[in-house]
Amino acid sequence: GAGVSQTPSNKVTEKGKYVELRCDPISGHTALYWYRQSLGQGPEFLIYFQGTGAADDSGLPNDRFFAVRPEGSVSTLKIQRTERGDSAVYLCASSLRLAGGHTDTQYFGPGTRLTVL
Amino acid sequence: AQSVTQPDIHITVSEGASLELRCNYSYGATPYLFWYVQSPGQGLQLLLKYFSGDTLVQGIKGFEAEFKRSQSSFNLRKPSVHWSDAAEYFCAVGTSGNTPLVFGKGTRLSVIA
Repeated sequence: GAGVSQTPSNKVTEKGKYVELRCDPISGHTALYWYRQSLGQGPEFLIYFQGTGAADDSGLPNDRFFAVRPEGSVSTLKIQRTERGDSAVYLCASSLRLAGGHTDTQYFGPGTRLTVL
Repeated sequence: AQSVTQPDIHITVSEGASLELRCNYSYGATPYLFWYVQSPGQGLQLLLKYFSGDTLVQGIKGFEAEFKRSQSSFNLRKPSVHWSDAAEYFCAVGTSGNTPLVFGKGTRLSVIA
């Protein structure tokens, strides 16, 4: 079946501009995660949705970053007034919600490479 | 809070040789442990995971990993490396309830002829 998809695959923007990054999770997955991966680093958590609501947004670096998931499926990560330090690969992952508090595997998309000039 | 340490930034092995990538985690309860692989320009692909039960887990592409609670380790192994295994490998730890993963910084594997 189809995996997690992310668009665009690459985004180049100028400092100060606004960008939106989109994630389409695997159909039926209720949990959706955004991570950021800087060069030479492992992915770092940004925000996590369970359904439509943000269950944990403690990883968002500042108020320029915002994410939505209005219908519990597709999610958009929004970055205002971009800075050169925002340049990174933004990864999206999704997983099923299992009963009993158990966790399921997170399946990752190919990522969006954001470059801020 | 959880943390993951991958002590080796870069490892080079000869094709056909055995491989062991180290991973140490810090977490107070029983962790959920994962190994992912990332090829250049690609997303993360799950190799294997440990949730509970048998501490030796088998994954795809001939990889296996062993959970050792006493050493807080979850090392990844492969008996015979292929050139196509050259990639970045990430160890990650999670907790119950679909919480976000905490990743190590990764180990880059190079394979030489």
